[in-house]
Amino acid sequence: AQSVTQLGSHVSVSEGALVLLRCNYSSSVPPYLFWYVQYPNQGLQLLLKYTSAATLVKGINGFEAEFKKSETSFHLTKPSAHMSDAAEYFCAVSDQGTDKLIFGTGTRLQVFP
Amino acid sequence: DAGVIQSPRHEVTEMGQEVTLRCKPISGHDYLFWYRQTMMRGLELLIYFNNNVPIDDSGMPEDRFSAKMPNASFSTLKIQPSEPRDSAVYFCASRPPQRSGANVLTFGAGSRLTVL
Repeated sequence: AQSVTQLGSHVSVSEGALVLLRCNYSSSVPPYLFWYVQYPNQGLQLLLKYTSAATLVKGINGFEAEFKKSETSFHLTKPSAHMSDAAEYFCAVSDQGTDKLIFGTGTRLQVFP
Repeated sequence: DAGVIQSPRHEVTEMGQEVTLRCKPISGHDYLFWYRQTMMRGLELLIYFNNNVPIDDSGMPEDRFSAKMPNASFSTLKIQPSEPRDSAVYFCASRPPQRSGANVLTFGAGSRLTVL
């Protein structure tokens, strides 16, 4: 069965520092992979998605993620954190040809001035 | 487009009462999903519909939970009777028809349920 594991439920960085949020997936077939962001009291918004095209995917707000099949990873990065990046981030997986999107447990990002 | 619309945004009720959560998907989207979010269990898929037909309800916790989609623009999630452990944020999400690309969900703002 498909699943994702997000390492670290909380990540804290200083403003301007590199953001790295980790996600590993498990899937028996080539997956589709996603990162969503959730701001307080809001629904989830799509940051970026991987659909078996380019392995480096660029998303909104300066975020990007790299699909590494050998490591079964899809880590999210941003070179320089901004205060407005403070939110909860969810990695999700969906097998090609299926309808279900399975989410990880989320990583809460704090950004300090 | 107004996006996925959920109501109520907040609901506080007493144990044993019936709770009905409502969702209006984006026009033209033929998939609708209900998720539940709690601190302990994260985001759980409860049930999803395609063209108003329930496709997979394996995530529905128990018989107290039921969901319907009487038409393409409306869905309900009902809990009867409600229990304190049902307290959570319930999200509705919709998606356009299946294509060759990935299935991107658009989420509503959620309904926060508190059962006392």
